[in-house]
Amino acid sequence: GIQVEQSPPDLILQEGANSTLRCNFSDSVNNLQWFHQNPWGQLINLFYIPSGTKQNGRLSATTVATERYSLLYISSSQTTDSGVYFCAVRETGANNLFFGTGTRLTVIP
Amino acid sequence: EAQVTQNPRYLITVTGKKLTVTCSQNMNHEYMSWYRQDPGLGLRQIYYSMNVEVTDKGDVPEGYKVSRKEKRNFPLILESPSPNQTSLYFCASSSRRDNSPLHFGNGTRLTVT
Repeated sequence: GIQVEQSPPDLILQEGANSTLRCNFSDSVNNLQWFHQNPWGQLINLFYIPSGTKQNGRLSATTVATERYSLLYISSSQTTDSGVYFCAVRETGANNLFFGTGTRLTVIP
Repeated sequence: EAQVTQNPRYLITVTGKKLTVTCSQNMNHEYMSWYRQDPGLGLRQIYYSMNVEVTDKGDVPEGYKVSRKEKRNFPLILESPSPNQTSLYFCASSSRRDNSPLHFGNGTRLTVT
């Protein structure tokens, strides 16, 4: 199946700093989503972004499908941004969503 | 409120005692799936369903069963649980339309002793 790699695995930031999380995938995809898992374990959908760029407040995401990667930008980070960020992709022609192993973000005050 | 509801939130059981984790969604979604989350492994798909009476294996289906008799419900059945099925389980659903995000339940933490 498709391989999904996220980097970095862990990230510690001071409140107010910016960060970029990366998701690389091994084959063409027709579905790519970013999720945030908060410290209580809830998984929240951030973006549906198989290509192009989207922005939602302090968060934005860009997917370059031809080069098989996606980036999640977090600006002016807050302690509530802490948690694990997952990228999930669906290979073109397939039915399954495959998840990366996540980036654990810790924002310290 | 649109949501995916899983029950129970926490479950402790013993090896071999059959159990069912329920999942229900109120968004009329065609697609539903089950994932397990283990440290360092991310989320791995157990089973998924594209619509009523249609189910398929995901990456780690061994030891699990599912059924999709109604559109809103997608229960996960462990006929004979074993300690290696101790994990955090998530149910999810989405529409099959383009641009449809995946919605997750709040998770079920299962411990098998």
